Amino acid sequence: ETGVTQTPRHLVMGMTNKKSLKCEQHLGHNAMYWYKQSAKKPLELMFVYSLEERVENNSVPSRFSPECPNSSHLFLHLHTLQPEDSALYLCASSQVTINTDTQYFGPGTRLTVL
Amino acid sequence: GNSVTQMEGPVTLSEEAFLTINCTYTATGYPSLFWYVQYPGEGLQLLLKATKADDKGSNKGFEATYRKETTSFHLEKGSVQVSDSAVYFCALISSGSARQLTFGSGTQLTVLP
Repeated sequence: ETGVTQTPRHLVMGMTNKKSLKCEQHLGHNAMYWYKQSAKKPLELMFVYSLEERVENNSVPSRFSPECPNSSHLFLHLHTLQPEDSALYLCASSQVTINTDTQYFGPGTRLTVL
Repeated sequence: GNSVTQMEGPVTLSEEAFLTINCTYTATGYPSLFWYVQYPGEGLQLLLKATKADDKGSNKGFEATYRKETTSFHLEKGSVQVSDSAVYFCALISSGSARQLTFGSGTQLTVLP
């Protein structure tokens, strides 16, 4: 599956670093998503860009900042993270229609915060 | 709000055994239902889906039927293989301009040769 790609696949960073995660979708979809997958917790939706409308989960700390320059690219900018932010970050895309849509996921970025 | 409850894992089966992973949901309106699979070290892959009541989703020998009367979407496979070892997630999506997937907690399946 190369419909949704994510880079880097693995990232180790210190708490004072600034880094960005990149996601690109090659499916012609009109919505993109960031999810966080932590050990022993359900998948958590962080941000959605859908039909040029940004929707956020209000519980996401401000040290995570999304950017969606166009319908094919999505970034997650990271700064002053905490060790509890270590997780697998998954990007997804979908074609939103009236009836339904299906989200397709990338392979994820495994983030470790030291 | 929406919620998905799936059976606690881990589940361990012998090769060629019958698999059932239970999933029930709570949602407003008429959600679409999904099963995703996550193999070790990888992201989520869509396994199957159903968009309306009584629909049956199927893929790779796996099946699940959308049961509105019991609000369930149980995953079944008649004969599992070692390569089916993975984590399985039940999920739903409800209508709206920002269509947010709600996931269950996942069920770890291990198939032994």
